[in-house]
Amino acid sequence: ETGVTQTPRHLVMGMTNKKSLKCEQHLGHNAMYWYKQSAKKPLELMFVYSLEERVENNSVPSRFSPECPNSSHLFLHLHTLQPEDSALYLCASSQDQNLYTNTGELFFGEGSRLTVL
Amino acid sequence: EDQVTQSPEALRLQEGESSSLNCSYTVSGLRGLFWYRQDPGKGPEFLFTLYSAGEEKEKERLKATLTKKESFLHITAPKPEDSATYLCAVQAAGNYQLIWGAGTKLIIKP
Repeated sequence: ETGVTQTPRHLVMGMTNKKSLKCEQHLGHNAMYWYKQSAKKPLELMFVYSLEERVENNSVPSRFSPECPNSSHLFLHLHTLQPEDSALYLCASSQDQNLYTNTGELFFGEGSRLTVL
Repeated sequence: EDQVTQSPEALRLQEGESSSLNCSYTVSGLRGLFWYRQDPGKGPEFLFTLYSAGEEKEKERLKATLTKKESFLHITAPKPEDSATYLCAVQAAGNYQLIWGAGTKLIIKP
């Protein structure tokens, strides 16, 4: 495996389900990101982990819960989602140790397409 | 408020027909402007970083330029494989977040 790998690629869940999205990066990078991509809308940053420490993003609802057990793995735990949460969820990584002076070069996975019924 | 606007929303060209995509931005102190390409069913792929007005970057048929208010992605003699959605993002000084545009969907017809 190379690059950034996301599983599952597709997920359908009911509003009361609990599921998790998984991301793994094989690039030796220091930062990992979760983005939400909705049709014809800009990418929305949800969470960032830099050197395994979470950088807070207060605008994300608590029904989304990230976990970063080590620098190579990132999870997004989903619980009691709403239909408007249906979107493509993208994981990315970067080698930057300092987010404020980063190169802007993010390596994205292929995404997890989430449908909430 | 920091903002990025991309135009047009979609662009259809014939193979070989050169054109430009626009990325207009308002940001309190630009630290960098970034271009990405996204193919259907894939994540975005990094193309360029531009840091200051007047800077240019080239890659194959693509050239990105930057002014104090906007960036252009020039596509010279495009081929069908250049068809994709092109995304622009900016980073403000002192902020770790990238502010993204909604993208321009480029379709190159053979």
